[in-house]
Amino acid sequence: KAGVTQTPRYLIKTRGQQVTLSCSPISGHRSVSWYQQTPGQGLQFLFEYFSETQRNKGNFPGRFSGRQFSNSRSEMNVSTLELGDSALYLCASSGGTSYGYTFGSGTRLTVV
Amino acid sequence: AQSVTQLGSHVSVSEGALVLLRCNYSSSVPPYLFWYVQYPNQGLQLLLKYTSAATLVKGINGFEAEFKKSETSFHLTKPSAHMSDAAEYFCAVSDNSGGSNYKLTFGKGTLLTVNP
Repeated sequence: KAGVTQTPRYLIKTRGQQVTLSCSPISGHRSVSWYQQTPGQGLQFLFEYFSETQRNKGNFPGRFSGRQFSNSRSEMNVSTLELGDSALYLCASSGGTSYGYTFGSGTRLTVV
Repeated sequence: AQSVTQLGSHVSVSEGALVLLRCNYSSSVPPYLFWYVQYPNQGLQLLLKYTSAATLVKGINGFEAEFKKSETSFHLTKPSAHMSDAAEYFCAVSDNSGGSNYKLTFGKGTLLTVNP
């Protein structure tokens, strides 16, 4: 069974640009969540989607957005990049909370 | 609101020694609890989870954790450390009340070093 696939693995962007990250969940999983991991703030929840609907959102500015497609694949977008957006962005899929969340390998975003 | 406190940002043990990583949680509703491990430049791998069944939970790689409601704790243990256990470990809590939480709240992590 294929795991959670995140693309790309590494990304370098310039301040002010925008970026789109992609996540393909485990087949059959309808819930996809996104997390930001930084050395200073640790792992922080961005948002969660289920059947193309955002069910929960973390405390991030509106520059961070996401969406989910009918095949459960998800994308997150960050507009007007800032240096502080440099982080590892992790996607997780779930077939239900009691089953746990399976994480992808992440996308390492560096903003210069 | 939920929160997780991991006591000790860095734990160092000798190979073959007991591993004990501490996690305390705060939750206004019955929790689901998880331990994840992260190796350098990788994502998070689920070690084990507590979902209101048995309070002693066994996971992968010889790890186990015990849910103690009275102490609001979910400490992770392994009887004998191996060099390959060196990694960062995260405790996380989620909401099992059927509410609209749908997220994990993580602790700050504990970096485990295993000395030969």
